[in-house]
Amino acid sequence: AQSVTQLDSQVPVFEEAPVELRCNYSSSVSVYLFWYVQYPNQGLQLLLKYLSGSTLVKGINGFEAEFNKSQTSFHLRKPSVHISDTAEYFCAVSDRVFGNEKLTFGTGTRLTIIP
Amino acid sequence: EAGVAQSPRYKIIEKRQSVAFWCNPISGHATLYWYQQILGQGPKLLIQFQNNGVVDDSQLPKDRFSAERLKGVDSTLKIQPAKLEDSAVYLCASSLARGYAGEQYFGPGTRLTVT
Repeated sequence: AQSVTQLDSQVPVFEEAPVELRCNYSSSVSVYLFWYVQYPNQGLQLLLKYLSGSTLVKGINGFEAEFNKSQTSFHLRKPSVHISDTAEYFCAVSDRVFGNEKLTFGTGTRLTIIP
Repeated sequence: EAGVAQSPRYKIIEKRQSVAFWCNPISGHATLYWYQQILGQGPKLLIQFQNNGVVDDSQLPKDRFSAERLKGVDSTLKIQPAKLEDSAVYLCASSLARGYAGEQYFGPGTRLTVT
């Protein structure tokens, strides 16, 4: 069974400051890793994904994440945040098994940008 | 390209009543998912379809929830009878195919309130 832990339920950050949203996962098999963003009253949108290769993954809106296998982490970072980044961010994991693309999500981190 | 469509966007019912949600995935997407997102939690997969067949319904409360995707395109999720703990946002997502370790595209969700 897989699980995802997002250590911070809420993160307030001043505009133009850097931010890191933490994600740790647990799995008995190799996994794919994802970050999704959910703006108010909207569905989830994929920010970035790690499938294989380089452990540093770049996504949309200036976000990036680094896969660390030894620490089973996939933290999300942005060097300078904007008001428009205010949203809920979800880390998710799925098995590297054909046909088993079920996503297991963390509980989310609410990012609030302070002007 | 049109996104995943869901209706209604909001629904309020009393406990023990029945309710149905509709989802139309992105054209050409063979795989369809229904997720339940309870306030303060990440989405949880209820059921996954591949075309019109069920791939995974292990977390669907089958005594009260049912879902179908008769023609392999749009899908309906039903709750009968509803309980207070069913209050949540129901998200529909679609992806190109099984084994596609990539993006799931989410609809805006249906917010259900059971009173």
